[in-house]
Amino acid sequence: GAGVSQSPSNKVTEKGKDVELRCDPISGHTALYWYRQSLGQGLEFLIYFQGNSAPDKSGLPSDRFSAERTGGSVSTLTIQRTQQEDSAVYLCASSLYGQPQHFGDGTRLSIL
Amino acid sequence: KNEVEQSPQNLTAQEGEFITINCSYSVGISALHWLQQHPGGGIVSLFMLSSGKKKHGRLIATINIQEKHSSLHITASHPRDSAVYICAVERFGNEKLTFGTGTRLTIIP
Repeated sequence: GAGVSQSPSNKVTEKGKDVELRCDPISGHTALYWYRQSLGQGLEFLIYFQGNSAPDKSGLPSDRFSAERTGGSVSTLTIQRTQQEDSAVYLCASSLYGQPQHFGDGTRLSIL
Repeated sequence: KNEVEQSPQNLTAQEGEFITINCSYSVGISALHWLQQHPGGGIVSLFMLSSGKKKHGRLIATINIQEKHSSLHITASHPRDSAVYICAVERFGNEKLTFGTGTRLTIIP
C-alpha cells in the first residue's frame, strides 16, 4: 500500500517482557517519527529520524525505550522490560521535509 | 501549563451548524497542524499552515502568528465530521510535533 504501515496492529504481553514494534514509512519519506497515545495523556513525541542526521531521542521516557531506522527506511521501536504504564497506542508517522506528516494506524500495546 | 491549549475540550452541535475549534500556543513555531482522529481510527492531517488561511471543502483553518492562535472552522457540519480534532505545532529547526489535548466533536443529525 501507499501509506505508513505498522505491525503488529495489536500486541499483548506480560510485564517484564521485551517488545518490538515495526514501522514501514512511505517510500521516499526522509523523516520518521514515533509518538505514543496513552489514555488520559494524549499524544506525545518519542523519537524523530531525519535523513542521515542523529535522531532526536528527547521524548523517550526511559532507557528501556530505543529505536533504530535501518537504511533510511524501516524503523523498529523496542521496549525492554515492559511495565504496565507502557500500555498505549504507538503511532508512527513519516513525511518529506516541510510537508504534512502521514500517520500509520498504530500498534495497540497492552501489558498484563 | 501546556505549550498547546485547545478549546473547547468537547463540543456537541446539531447538523448544519458552523463549528469553531480554537488552539493557542505559547512557543515560537514554524508551522501548525490540524489533525483529525475518528473513533478507533487513525490520524489524518487536515492542514499544515504557517500563516494566513487555508480552505479544503467545508473546512477552513486560520492562524494569527502575532497572537499565537489558530482556529479550525467547519461549515455546514455533518455527522461524519464527528471526531477528535487535534492541534499540533512544530518549532523551528525540528519537525517533531507537540500536541494539544484535542477537541471531541459530536454532530447530532
